[in-house]
Amino acid sequence: DAMVIQNPRYQVTQFGKPVTLSCSQTLNHNVMYWYQQKSSQAPKLLFHYYDKDFNNEADTPDNFQSRRPNTSFCFLDIRSPGLGDAAMYLCATSYSLWGRGTADNEQFFGPGTRLTVL
Amino acid sequence: AQSVTQLDSHVSVSEGTPVLLRCNYSSSYSPSLFWYVQHPNKGLQLLLKYTSAATLVKGINGFEAEFKKSETSFHLTKPSAHMSDAAEYFCVVSGPDMRFGAGTRLTVKP
Repeated sequence: DAMVIQNPRYQVTQFGKPVTLSCSQTLNHNVMYWYQQKSSQAPKLLFHYYDKDFNNEADTPDNFQSRRPNTSFCFLDIRSPGLGDAAMYLCATSYSLWGRGTADNEQFFGPGTRLTVL
Repeated sequence: AQSVTQLDSHVSVSEGTPVLLRCNYSSSYSPSLFWYVQHPNKGLQLLLKYTSAATLVKGINGFEAEFKKSETSFHLTKPSAHMSDAAEYFCVVSGPDMRFGAGTRLTVKP
């Protein structure tokens, strides 16, 4: 089945120790998104890729970076995790018809990676 | 600019009774509207979507929603709640940017 896969499902890191979360998709979608979701809150968009074009949200901290080496994979790098970065990180994909790289079509979500910062 | 407001942060129903989760939106465009469901420690799953076709949209698991332009609403309903419906529900407006509502937690009592 076509799907969005996130690894690992649970990640524990230490304060200030860099961490990388991964996302892969078999849907061949041209847009990939990273969201941060804290407890009892809606997902917050960090950034997205339209093909290879990176689009950062204005309020995303510089501590968060992303890479998309090919259509199928996208990585979220947290350079120096703080206690406030503990959250669920969701990857999503969509196929953009308008070419604007944002949500003109439904998004397909992975199961998420829960990050704990000690 | 777009925005979406979910009118109830928490809804509690008894199993077998109807479910109503309310969503109002604001958009300068002709929006696409979505309802997603999230079970604990899981990703979001699409329940249904409205994309300017039929105003009454049927989704998975017996859910449906009606797009009412005059009321700028897109409420989610289900005739009979099941225990497995207990989850967080998000209303989303799209076009070109995506905006999430704050979410409604649905509790289903036996």
